[in-house]
Amino acid sequence: SYELTQPPSVSVAPGKTARIPCGGNNIGSKNVHWYQQKPGQAPVLVIYRDSNRPSGIPERFSGSNSGNTATLTISRAQAGDEADYYCQVWDSSTSVVFGGGTKLTVL
Amino acid sequence: QLQLQESGSGLVKPSQTLSLTCAVSGGSISSGGYSWSWIRQPPGKGLEWIGYIYHSGSTYYNPSLKSRVTISVDRSKNQFSLKLNSVTAADTAVYYCARDSYDILTGWRWFDPWGQGTLVTVSS
Repeated sequence: SYELTQPPSVSVAPGKTARIPCGGNNIGSKNVHWYQQKPGQAPVLVIYRDSNRPSGIPERFSGSNSGNTATLTISRAQAGDEADYYCQVWDSSTSVVFGGGTKLTVL
Repeated sequence: QLQLQESGSGLVKPSQTLSLTCAVSGGSISSGGYSWSWIRQPPGKGLEWIGYIYHSGSTYYNPSLKSRVTISVDRSKNQFSLKLNSVTAADTAVYYCARDSYDILTGWRWFDPWGQGTLVTVSS
């Protein structure tokens, strides 16, 4: 079965750039999507198909995907960006797969 | 703006059937190019996809849950539903419904928007 690996936590100073990795076997051959989940709220799509932002998502959010790692990048991090972030792919054998999630702390 | 709202029983006894409904507003569940999913999240844990349904009624389930899951659609009410039978404490979770966008050639899919979620507790 296909698995996605995320670090449990990432920290970033306000105004700096946060990078959240998502590892998977040859993940670069798949489309990766990213969700932001704040405490007590439903997940929100922030990046789809590796690097596309839905309407309403700030340009500070960007994504890339190559080889065995996809990365969500948050520029000029703000306190309001603190949340759990999940990567997700579709795999032909496993169907929908989510990463374990990464807690972003802005401090 | 499309909105989804989950409803159903918040407390289910072990071995019984969990039943939830997702009402869709601001758009038609019969719109082409989309499917409709259920996703769950145990308290303090990550996300697990349960399955999806097309407006035609075709379904696809997570292989790990397939034997216990049924997803159905009611186009006249613009809603779709989840039934999960033989539940145990491990099925305690917040259950979300969501709209899927997908690539017709590859099957790749992503979820937007999501409902607010509803907590289902399995306990006697």
